[in-house]
Amino acid sequence: AQKITQTQPGMFVQEKEAVTLDCTYDTSDQSYGLFWYKQPSSGEMIFLIYQGSYDEQNATEGRYSLNFQKARKSANLVISASQLGDSAMYFCAMRELLVNNAGNMLTFGGGTRLMVKP
Amino acid sequence: NAGVTQTPKFQVLKTGQSMTLQCAQDMNHEYMSWYRQDPGMGLRLIHYSVGAGITDQGEVPNGYNVSRSTTEDFPLRLLSAAPSQTSVYFCASSYSRLPTGELFFGEGSRLTVL
Repeated sequence: AQKITQTQPGMFVQEKEAVTLDCTYDTSDQSYGLFWYKQPSSGEMIFLIYQGSYDEQNATEGRYSLNFQKARKSANLVISASQLGDSAMYFCAMRELLVNNAGNMLTFGGGTRLMVKP
Repeated sequence: NAGVTQTPKFQVLKTGQSMTLQCAQDMNHEYMSWYRQDPGMGLRLIHYSVGAGITDQGEVPNGYNVSRSTTEDFPLRLLSAAPSQTSVYFCASSYSRLPTGELFFGEGSRLTVL
């Protein structure tokens, strides 16, 4: 089974509107971290937002918020007031301890390409 | 703040050549790792280190070596480059090995093996 599933390969949104990017995850660990990264065409990986498995409040960072529903194992990213510069690839990722407990691994979903229309 | 610095940003190799991708961080992070990203895909873990002198294999370690002689540096060596190693490589660091907390990425190194 996929650890991280992003079901929307591509999405369009009108400038200034809000958009939700879906992410579901699969883990049996109690302690894990959920991340969203933005990757523009230039290639760098830009951190957007983080949610810890024990955090009860949904994370927010400026125009980004993470809709964390632990029982449903979903961690959707909401971008409010979309801007043209938001056009990019967006990756959901989960960080878990490795089986040996010595390290951790970030597992990425397949990504969603967001295109903001003027 | 420099953060995580990777060099070189671009490299072209011929099959069979060897090279080293450099990674340095100035945040005194104990945990460092290397990922590769193939076209249209997310990142996969190659090797990681939980501190100086300690390294271990990740999901896709074959064809790569690492060492961690200092806290700051974590070089990735390609022993005998193959076209299948054409990819973008990212170095990442974090304060600890625990799965919570932010992971800081370098800007990536684009490698092409002919």
